[in-house]
Amino acid sequence: KAGVTQTPRYLIKTRGQQVTLSCSPISGHRSVSWYQQTPGQGLQFLFEYFSETQRNKGNFPGRFSGRQFSNSRSEMNVSTLELGDSALYLCASSLPGSGSYEQYFGPGTRLTVT
Amino acid sequence: AQSVAQPEDQVNVAEGNPLTVKCTYSVSGNPYLFWYVQYPNRGLQFLLKYITGDNLVKGSYGFEAEFNKSQTSFHLKKPSALVSDSALYFCAVRDGSSNTGKLIFGQGTTLQVKP
Repeated sequence: KAGVTQTPRYLIKTRGQQVTLSCSPISGHRSVSWYQQTPGQGLQFLFEYFSETQRNKGNFPGRFSGRQFSNSRSEMNVSTLELGDSALYLCASSLPGSGSYEQYFGPGTRLTVT
Repeated sequence: AQSVAQPEDQVNVAEGNPLTVKCTYSVSGNPYLFWYVQYPNRGLQFLLKYITGDNLVKGSYGFEAEFNKSQTSFHLKKPSALVSDSALYFCAVRDGSSNTGKLIFGQGTTLQVKP
């Protein structure tokens, strides 16, 4: 099975712009979670989607949003970018109800805000 | 509130020696515990998990971890370290009593295995 894919892998944006990141989960996985990884804050949970519904949200400002489509693919959007948004954004998928519980991560999108 | 602590920023071991990477956790419900490894410029790779059952769980690449409920710990171990084990290791916890997959991660421990 193909793993979790994320596009693009690298992005450079300017302060004030907006950005959309995409995640395709493992085939059959219906839950997608997003995490932000920075050297200072480590790995922080952004949000989780299951069957097109946001099931949980982390402590991030409203500039961070996401959605999930009927094919389980997910996007996250960051509006009005700030320098502090520079990070590795990781997407993870899982199969709730399967008894496995672990999440499988994609390679991430490296966002640099200048 | 849930939290995970990895008290060591870096662990150094010689190749062939046993290694331990420490993790303690706090969660209000049932702890579901995980270890992940991250190589440079890569995503996180699942190593092993504890959900229920035997306190000693075995995972990928010869790694194992011991769940200790009284000490709220879930230390990662390997009997004989390899240079290729050098990477960043993350411990994570999820509240198994809640209907969410949200993971709380520790700050990570860099494992350096020297030849």
